[in-house]
Amino acid sequence: DAKTTQPPSMDCAEGRAANLPCNHSTISGNEYVYWYRQIHSQGPQYIIHGLKNNETNEMASLIITEDRKSSTLILPHATLRDTAVYYCIVHLNTGGFKTIFGAGTRLFVKA
Amino acid sequence: EADIYQTPRYLVIGTGKKITLECSQTMGHDKMYWYQQDPGMELHLIHYSYGVNSTEKGDLSSESTVSRIRTEHFPLTLESARPSHTSQYLCASSEGNRGRGNTIYFGEGSWLTVV
Repeated sequence: DAKTTQPPSMDCAEGRAANLPCNHSTISGNEYVYWYRQIHSQGPQYIIHGLKNNETNEMASLIITEDRKSSTLILPHATLRDTAVYYCIVHLNTGGFKTIFGAGTRLFVKA
Repeated sequence: EADIYQTPRYLVIGTGKKITLECSQTMGHDKMYWYQQDPGMELHLIHYSYGVNSTEKGDLSSESTVSRIRTEHFPLTLESARPSHTSQYLCASSEGNRGRGNTIYFGEGSWLTVV
């Protein structure tokens, strides 16, 4: 599975969009980009995933660059409850899941 | 919504005791995992299973053992707990199906304190 690089922390004002970047320059053609988040002391929670097209669901939007070497998770209107660690992971859509989660980005949403 | 359950949520035990952390999922997933995470630190994969009677060690060496006798059940056992085993243990499962995706679902975690 490809490795990802994320900034260690970010701040965002409540009500504003939070844009979390992720670099995955070694991603292979059949690997998907997945985003999870972990709120303090809880198990990580799935947010969204995509292959090459931009995706949107009720939680967030995922923008993947045309060369697929990077992506951005967008929380359109961040709330205090969005304060969490966000993990960007790339892996296949089949098979097992041995991907390393890494340190992720610690997002602080401030009032 | 994910249906993966861990018990106990919190456990304080003495050194040398044997403990088993239970994990069950009702989604019929073949693949299950155990992660270990200290507060504020990264998740580390310690065990995984791709199906019944399949178990493998993960990236982080662990003195714990696992078993997979039934698809829905993936317990983790420490034969003799030590203070160094104090941590949060997270169980997870995934389907790994091309059509339905490979989302990983986590339980709420088991916090183990060895005194």
